[in-house]
Amino acid sequence: QKEVEQNSGPLSVPEGAIASLNCTYSDRGSQSFFWYRQYSGKSPELIMFIYSNGDKEDGRFTAQLNKASQYVSLLIRDSQPSDSATYLCAWGGSQGNLIFGKGTKLSVKP
Amino acid sequence: DGGITQSPKYLFRKEGQNVTLSCEQNLNHDAMYWYRQDPGQGLRLIYYSQIVNDFQKGDIAEGYSVSREKKESFPLTVTSAQKNPTAFYLCASSGSGDSRLAKNIQYFGAGTRLSVL
Repeated sequence: QKEVEQNSGPLSVPEGAIASLNCTYSDRGSQSFFWYRQYSGKSPELIMFIYSNGDKEDGRFTAQLNKASQYVSLLIRDSQPSDSATYLCAWGGSQGNLIFGKGTKLSVKP
Repeated sequence: DGGITQSPKYLFRKEGQNVTLSCEQNLNHDAMYWYRQDPGQGLRLIYYSQIVNDFQKGDIAEGYSVSREKKESFPLTVTSAQKNPTAFYLCASSGSGDSRLAKNIQYFGAGTRLSVL
């Protein structure tokens, strides 16, 4: 069974802090990884993807991939209350489908 | 505006009734997907289609049916055989091209909330 594991949280951080979200996956053949943000009652929106080992930065977001350890993480710097949402980790299957984790709920306190 | 349109936003099903959820995209994407999300859960794949007139079952296809007669449209029917249909249904599409990455980057519609009366 191909799986993605995430800590369901909730993860609470103060405004301005760094939020660290982690995800582990079971399939060593996984090639690409995605982070989606989902606000309550809304659909997921893509915020980052990564397919090479190392870090990928986009504004306040940094995705980190370690294929040897089979984990991917998302760092959010200078966290804002508007970042409060559920963050879904997913990896890409060979048929184009995505395998999703259950999500980590992040709460940023003013 | 380019995007994925799902309708209706809310849908109520009576026992024994089949209902159809609409998904239309104008992104010229080849692949389309249907997911189900239950409260506090991740997304589970129901059906997907990579090309017109072809589709495959996902992890939880029982009680659902789809068609893909046009590139732009991928409707999902929740049949009476689906005994626990209450959920948030999400349609997604992904780009064409040869790269696996392009196929994996999925964009979602706004979703349909289905409840049972």
